[in-house]
Amino acid sequence: DIVMTQSPDSLAVSLGERATINCKSSQSVLYSSNNKNYLAWYQQKPGQPPKLLIYWASTRESGVPDRFSGSGSGTDFTLTISSLQAEDVAVYYCQQYYSTLGITFGQGTRLEIK
Amino acid sequence: QITLKESGPTLVKPTQTLTLTCTFSGFSLSTSGVGVGWIRQPPGKALEWLALIYWDDDKRYSPSLKSRLTITKDTSKNQVVLTMTNMDPVDTATYYCAHRPGSGPVDYWGQGTLVTVSS
Repeated sequence: DIVMTQSPDSLAVSLGERATINCKSSQSVLYSSNNKNYLAWYQQKPGQPPKLLIYWASTRESGVPDRFSGSGSGTDFTLTISSLQAEDVAVYYCQQYYSTLGITFGQGTRLEIK
Repeated sequence: QITLKESGPTLVKPTQTLTLTCTFSGFSLSTSGVGVGWIRQPPGKALEWLALIYWDDDKRYSPSLKSRLTITKDTSKNQVVLTMTNMDPVDTATYYCAHRPGSGPVDYWGQGTLVTVSS
């Protein structure tokens, strides 16, 4: 199993300020043959299924605002929201899809307005 | 467009077997690389992947739950079925099915179905 660990568990940021969420995998999710990191980020609001935001560690899903960005490689990754909006209040999850055994999620980071 | 919908009982008793059906549209599970998976989320807790089945009938299970899970597909009906044996109150959760395109991440999710385990 690849274990995904997010930090912090919760985060309070002022409107318009930057929010940063970290995700660390227990082993590399970088596939050397195509140089792709098999890492995705999801946003989940109450009562809704998760929504895919970022895949291949840094590619924004269609329709996702450009204030959301992903970075990192190997075992360490970051989701950044450049200017927090009220509608960004949610729980954010990272997910690895590298392992042929299956996928795993981080424990989630709750993002609130300060 | 791709849609998925979960169906099954909302309440099961401890020790019973849970059977959930995912009915999807907008893609075919006979297309090379495509997969459908199940993920659950206990109330107020994190997402937990359960199982995946691929176009070629390859199946993957969460190591911690493998002994209790079976995933099957009916390509002609556009359905994937998950069974989980020996249900326990700790299995109370919203169960989601989701689409996985080839080697990419899960991209489309159903709305989920809440299953409560209680006597």
